[in-house]
Amino acid sequence: QVQLVQSGAEVKKPGASVKVSCRASGYTFTNYHVHWVRQAPGQGLEWMGVINCSGGTTVYAQKFQGRVTMTRDTSTSTVYMELTSLRSEDTAVYYCARSIGWYVSYDYWGQGTLVTVSS
Amino acid sequence: EIVLTQSPGTLSLSPGERVTLSCRASQSVSSNKLAWYQQKPGQAPRLLISGASSRATGIPDRFSGSGSGTDFTLTISRLEPEDFAVYYCQQYGSSPYTFGQGTKLEIK
Repeated sequence: QVQLVQSGAEVKKPGASVKVSCRASGYTFTNYHVHWVRQAPGQGLEWMGVINCSGGTTVYAQKFQGRVTMTRDTSTSTVYMELTSLRSEDTAVYYCARSIGWYVSYDYWGQGTLVTVSS
Repeated sequence: EIVLTQSPGTLSLSPGERVTLSCRASQSVSSNKLAWYQQKPGQAPRLLISGASSRATGIPDRFSGSGSGTDFTLTISRLEPEDFAVYYCQQYGSSPYTFGQGTKLEIK
């Protein structure tokens, strides 16, 4: 069955970086894209960007340009999202989700990774 | 960037009732690429509707979506206890793929 399994919770200090992983299984990894969506405590969903798992092409939301990097490792069917220069406002649950194309909805989601930024 | 505005923010209803949620876009959504997701506390969102009106796999037929252009709705014909959750619309027709702020359905 299709699964997206994310890495565990992280606690980081302001100014640090975090790298969250999303390991895919149960489908052909390179046939899909993976998006990252975050949710601050008690807030709504915010799209961060997407990576094409075949060629590695990325598109990032302007808000995160320069701070976010999404990469993939096809040998392990894993996607990574790194966010740098963390601030308290980056405290959120980060989700990965798959889509079969650039302009397609997300049919499977990871379980979420809580990233807490605190001094 | 397309801004999605959902209304109302919160709805208090009873099981068995019919409900319609609204999602209005600041500009036309390309090819009606509008999805609805359901999220329960502590869980990831779940896809309900894509392409404005197509139910995702395994979604009960009490959920239906409609609309085009800038105005979209999600209707739940008869609320079940498990339907009380937060509902988000999302447009994925143009980047950035934006979400509405959500509508919370709570038990009356």
